[in-house]
Amino acid sequence: GQSLEQPSEVTAVEGAIVQINCTYQTSGFYGLSWYQQHDGGAPTFLSYNALDGLEETGRFSSFLSRSDSYGYLLLQELQMKDSASYFCAVESTTDSWGKFQFGAGTQVVVTP
Amino acid sequence: EAGVAQSPRYKIIEKRQSVAFWCNPISGHATLYWYQQILGQGPKLLIQFQNNGVVDDSQLPKDRFSAERLKGVDSTLKIQPAKLEDSAVYLCASSFPPRAYNEQFFGPGTRLTVL
Repeated sequence: GQSLEQPSEVTAVEGAIVQINCTYQTSGFYGLSWYQQHDGGAPTFLSYNALDGLEETGRFSSFLSRSDSYGYLLLQELQMKDSASYFCAVESTTDSWGKFQFGAGTQVVVTP
Repeated sequence: EAGVAQSPRYKIIEKRQSVAFWCNPISGHATLYWYQQILGQGPKLLIQFQNNGVVDDSQLPKDRFSAERLKGVDSTLKIQPAKLEDSAVYLCASSFPPRAYNEQFFGPGTRLTVL
């Protein structure tokens, strides 16, 4: 079966850097996505890694190591609006279509 | 571009009643997903459609949940009869194409409370 692990909560001050780790176990791994969800809101897409390495999008970066079954999301120059839950999601495939599983989420609390 | 539409936004029912949720994906999106998100947890995939065919429904409790996407566009998720543990937010998402880039666009969700 599939499993994902990520920390339940991270607290940091404005301007700091936060790294959210995600380890996974799955067969037929295809890619790792990250989503942000504010309280009461819908998840919104942040990034997707299918290959090893770092993907940078503004203040957010995402990293993947397929050999280690590990990835992380890096949030830089934290702002109050970054307080939200962050989910890693694994896409795996055993046929023509990808199948998705989300982690339990990491709540990021940004303090002044 | 209009986003994913869902209705209703909120629903309160008593256990053993039936309920239906509607989703209209972004125009042209071939893949449609229904997720269940219980408070404090990540979204759990219930069913995934590719056009009007089911790709994955392995986590759908088929004794009480059903879903359809008859014309490959909008979709309906039904629960009959509801149980207390079905209280959750039901999220619909869509994506195009199914394997490239893999960004899923989520609707606002339907918050279901079962009393």
